[in-house]
Amino acid sequence: RKEVEQDPGPFNVPEGATVAFNCTYSNSASQSFFWYRQDCRKEPKLLMSVYSSGNEDGRFTAQLNRASQYISLLIRDSKLSDSATYLCVALDTGRRALTFGSGTRLQVQP
Amino acid sequence: ETGVTQSPTHLIKTRGQQVTLRCSSQSGHNTVSWYQQALGQGPQFIFQYYREEENGRGNFPPRFSGLQFPNYSSELNVNALELDDSALYLCASSFGGRRGEQYFGPGTRLTVT
Repeated sequence: RKEVEQDPGPFNVPEGATVAFNCTYSNSASQSFFWYRQDCRKEPKLLMSVYSSGNEDGRFTAQLNRASQYISLLIRDSKLSDSATYLCVALDTGRRALTFGSGTRLQVQP
Repeated sequence: ETGVTQSPTHLIKTRGQQVTLRCSSQSGHNTVSWYQQALGQGPQFIFQYYREEENGRGNFPPRFSGLQFPNYSSELNVNALELDDSALYLCASSFGGRRGEQYFGPGTRLTVT
């Protein structure tokens, strides 16, 4: 079983739609969580950190549920430029390792 | 752009050969982590260097080794290349070894034939 699991998608949504991605993690030693975005054949870029209290950055909202070991990302009012792969990431500070999920691919259509 | 650079961009090697990949970290960052990303997968942690010492390692064999230099740039060396080593190799820099906010370079695409 992978330490971080995501639905690979693809999620095909029209512009303006709201879309949600989910992710589960199995390593209870994971202490910090992040969403990274990766465009095709490019490097991953940090999108946002994820906090237990939930956090919002413009159209993006991230939530963490430690009891269920579950992380989510909500994108509102999708833009064409949101088309990318979204990587769920857990940090085990003991191992100093970022563990990435395989990514969820989003395609926003006009 | 992140300011993290990697060289070369692409590389083709033959099975059994050795390869060295290079990474320059973002100004002000003292930690470099290396990742391997196979097609269709997320990046997998290889190891991390902090102040010139390896301070974390993933599930990769000893033929994957590295160095960090006083200017915090880093090298990844892979000996006895195997076909499965074909992947995108990413380095990421950060300030401190326990940070999830890492900034990735564009990667080196290695093909082993």
